[in-house]
Amino acid sequence: SAVISQKPSRDICQRGTSLTIQCQVDSQVTMMFWYRQQPGQSLTLIATANQGSEATYESGFVIDKFPISRPNLTFSTLTVSNMSPEDSSIYLCSVAGIHGYTFGSGTRLTVV
Amino acid sequence: GDSVTQMEGPVTLSEEAFLTINCTYTATGYPSLFWYVQYPGEGLQLLLKATKADDKGSNKGFEATYRKETTSFHLEKGSVQVSDSAVYFCALSDLAKGDSWGKFQFGAGTQVVVTP
Repeated sequence: SAVISQKPSRDICQRGTSLTIQCQVDSQVTMMFWYRQQPGQSLTLIATANQGSEATYESGFVIDKFPISRPNLTFSTLTVSNMSPEDSSIYLCSVAGIHGYTFGSGTRLTVV
Repeated sequence: GDSVTQMEGPVTLSEEAFLTINCTYTATGYPSLFWYVQYPGEGLQLLLKATKADDKGSNKGFEATYRKETTSFHLEKGSVQVSDSAVYFCALSDLAKGDSWGKFQFGAGTQVVVTP
């Protein structure tokens, strides 16, 4: 299966600032996704990162708040913009391809 | 839309006890079903999966059988260890739906605590 390197693993940020999370895969993958796991809750899909085009966002998530880039088939970034304490969560990238599905180890974000 | 419902936790067990975590799903297509485990402070790890009705997934002593007639995928382990303490997520992904391919619907998660 694919191996994902997700950075940073954790961060503590001031409200009003932005954080960019990187997801690097060791092989080309068709689909990349970003999920959020709020404290004590399950995972919710934020968006599908499409290579060469805008991301496709799920209901409740918007590009201005969570801009996503996917410049090639092995890399994507998620930015959490203008952060507030409610954005404190674990953010995970996921990939799907011929190998199956793999999740990154997550980025634990705390907004103070 | 597709959804997953799993039993609430926490589930507290003694070592060597039998563990069952119930999971049911609703889906309009033919989803694959998964159990993921999240150990404290770590990311998600695939525990087992089943891709069609009557398939049994198994790994590390855990088992789950895809039951289409009851739309269930209950997780079981005959003798738990302290190291099995974690949060367990039931999930589905419908490969048949083009625009949903690769996306997961997760249950709420069940925390399992195994005491010595």
